[in-house]
Amino acid sequence: GAGVSQSPSNKVTEKGKDVELRCDPISGHTALYWYRQSLGQGLEFLIYFQGNSAPDKSGLPSDRFSAERTGGSVSTLTIQRTQQEDSAVYLCASSLGLAKTYEQYFGPGTRLTVT
Amino acid sequence: AQSVTQLDSHVSVSEGTPVLLRCNYSSSYSPSLFWYVQHPNKGLQLLLKYTSAATLVKGINGFEAEFKKSETSFHLTKPSAHMSDAAEYFCVVSEKGSTLTFGKGTMLLVSP
Repeated sequence: GAGVSQSPSNKVTEKGKDVELRCDPISGHTALYWYRQSLGQGLEFLIYFQGNSAPDKSGLPSDRFSAERTGGSVSTLTIQRTQQEDSAVYLCASSLGLAKTYEQYFGPGTRLTVT
Repeated sequence: AQSVTQLDSHVSVSEGTPVLLRCNYSSSYSPSLFWYVQHPNKGLQLLLKYTSAATLVKGINGFEAEFKKSETSFHLTKPSAHMSDAAEYFCVVSEKGSTLTFGKGTMLLVSP
C-alpha cells in the first residue's frame, strides 16, 4: 500500500519568508509526527498528533513553528519568517497509535534550504 | 528520561565480513527499541524492533539484534555484509510511543 508521502521534496526559500510543508500519512494511522534532521543536531522530535487530541508541541523550537492536522489525516508544518538555521530535512511519520510497540513509518522528507 | 548512545559514528567493513553496530540505551521504564536504516537521500526504514517479547530479534535483510537488559545494550549484527548495506543506521528508544529518541547514527561503509 501507499506509504507516507511528503511535499515538496525540496524547498529553497529566502530568509524571512514563510514556508508550508505537507504530509500525507498512511491511511488508518491515527498518530502523526514531525521531526527535523540536521547535521549538527541529528534527528529531533518536533510535534505529534493523536486522533482528535490536542497535539504535543513540546519539541517545537520557537513560536515561528506551527502545525495543524485537518480531518485527522493530512498535516501541514508551517515555518514563519524562516531563518538560515531552519535549513534541514523535515521528516513526517505516522503510526497506528501511540503505544510504544507501534513502529513509526517515515516519509522521504522535505529538504528545506533557507538562503 | 530516555537516551541512546551509538558508540561508533563510522564503521568500515569488507563485503562478506560480519557487521556489528553498537547501541546502549537508558530508560526509566521497559522501553521498546528499534533500529532504522537510512540510505542516501532516502527516508528512514525500519529494520527491526524489540517490544519485550523475545530478546533476540530478527529483522529484514539478514540483520538481527539482541536486547540485553543487564548491559542496557541493543547491538545490531549481520553475519555477512553486502555492498547494499552501506547506509546510516539509527538506534531508537521509546518509553512511550509518543516520543522516539534517536541516537546520533552510525555510518556503515562497505568496501569490496
